[in-house]
Amino acid sequence: DQQVKQNSPSLSVQEGRISILNCDYTNSMFDYFLWYKKYPAEGPTFLISISSIKDKNEDGRFTVFLNKSAKHLSLHIVPSQPGDSAVYFCAASAGGNKLVFGAGTILRVKS
Amino acid sequence: EAGVAQSPRYKIIEKRQSVAFWCNPISGHATLYWYQQILGQGPKLLIQFQNNGVVDDSQLPKDRFSAERLKGVDSTLKIQPAKLEDSAVYLCASSFGPGGEKLFFGSGTQLSVL
Repeated sequence: DQQVKQNSPSLSVQEGRISILNCDYTNSMFDYFLWYKKYPAEGPTFLISISSIKDKNEDGRFTVFLNKSAKHLSLHIVPSQPGDSAVYFCAASAGGNKLVFGAGTILRVKS
Repeated sequence: EAGVAQSPRYKIIEKRQSVAFWCNPISGHATLYWYQQILGQGPKLLIQFQNNGVVDDSQLPKDRFSAERLKGVDSTLKIQPAKLEDSAVYLCASSFGPGGEKLFFGSGTQLSVL
């Protein structure tokens, strides 16, 4: 039962352009959402999060948008840089319980 | 600040052998997690400790997997006997609070079962 889905296995973007990574969820009890970035041979590192009481959170080049009615969130990276090339995981939790992760999207930023 | 430490980085064993992984969380973090990440999938929680008590082990295959966190600090995860499908990266993570929040991950142990 995949409660968090990242339907795009990979995404390729030109340097300087916008990267948009998408995530859908099925559990309406999820109230906290996070994005993690993972480089090869390293553990995931926290990138940005959003609470269900908000619909947008911004941190520098990274913005996360939450659409609760559609059970959809997205991560925007503007402008994209080659160092952003990594696997991006969407994760969600309900009431402070365990994080549930999506399968990840491989982002490749071409210079 | 030191991060989450894990060892070994890589391990290759044959099926039916046993293996153990070690994790040292960030100092002061009360909650420790073990995740299993199979290639092409997201991390899946195996077990969560709050101090030295188990909070969630609902997805831990208890017939072959065991974990302990003595004294509420370091933790070990053991697999005995290993199966081919246990090939994965085993990630340890810790958090200051009780869970469902920002986790800090170690680099993981890449396990190959032949």
